[in-house]
Amino acid sequence: DAGVIQSPRHEVTEMGQEVTLRCKPISGHNSLFWYRQTMMRGLELLIYFNNNVPIDDSGMPEDRFSAKMPNASFSTLKIQPSEPRDSAVYFCASSAGHTTDTQYFGPGTRLTVL
Amino acid sequence: KQEVTQIPAALSVPEGENLVLNCSFTDSAIYNLQWFRQDPGKGLTSLLLIQSSQREQTSGRLNASLDKSSGRSTLYIAASQPGDSATYLCAVRLNTGNQFYFGTGTSLTVIP
Repeated sequence: DAGVIQSPRHEVTEMGQEVTLRCKPISGHNSLFWYRQTMMRGLELLIYFNNNVPIDDSGMPEDRFSAKMPNASFSTLKIQPSEPRDSAVYFCASSAGHTTDTQYFGPGTRLTVL
Repeated sequence: KQEVTQIPAALSVPEGENLVLNCSFTDSAIYNLQWFRQDPGKGLTSLLLIQSSQREQTSGRLNASLDKSSGRSTLYIAASQPGDSATYLCAVRLNTGNQFYFGTGTSLTVIP
């Protein structure tokens, strides 16, 4: 299996622009997680899907952030409009179950907002 | 809110040494605890997952223990190697909700 795939790996954009991050989970996994990692705050869970349905989005920082999972093999995290404080590494992870199973992380997308 | 602390923040040891990384958490009502490894510029790799009913898990040179009552977990690495150099993070999941709480990690350097 190719593991969790994220694209792009690096994104540089200007403040105010829309940014879309993409994730393909491991085939057969039914839970998907979006995380953000910064030096100041460490790793934070943004949103979590189970069977394509958002279960917990309490970590989404504000309305500028939105996430979708239209099918079991694809998810997006969108930031509109982007701000410099959104600069971080965004990780997607998937697991076979949402209770006990191990999470498998993608390589991350490094976002820089100028 | 669950607070997860990892001490030390950084550790440097000579190759071959056995070492212990520490993780402490404030809310003992956890569902499970997971140890991860993160290499520079890479995602996280799961090392060990301990359910709340378990006391320890072992994988090769790694052994993780869990003491829920004291809010502590340790990751023991035997006979360290330069390839073990990475940042190690622990994460806990509570019985309630789906939130995973990560520690800030311990950066390990194993000197050849």
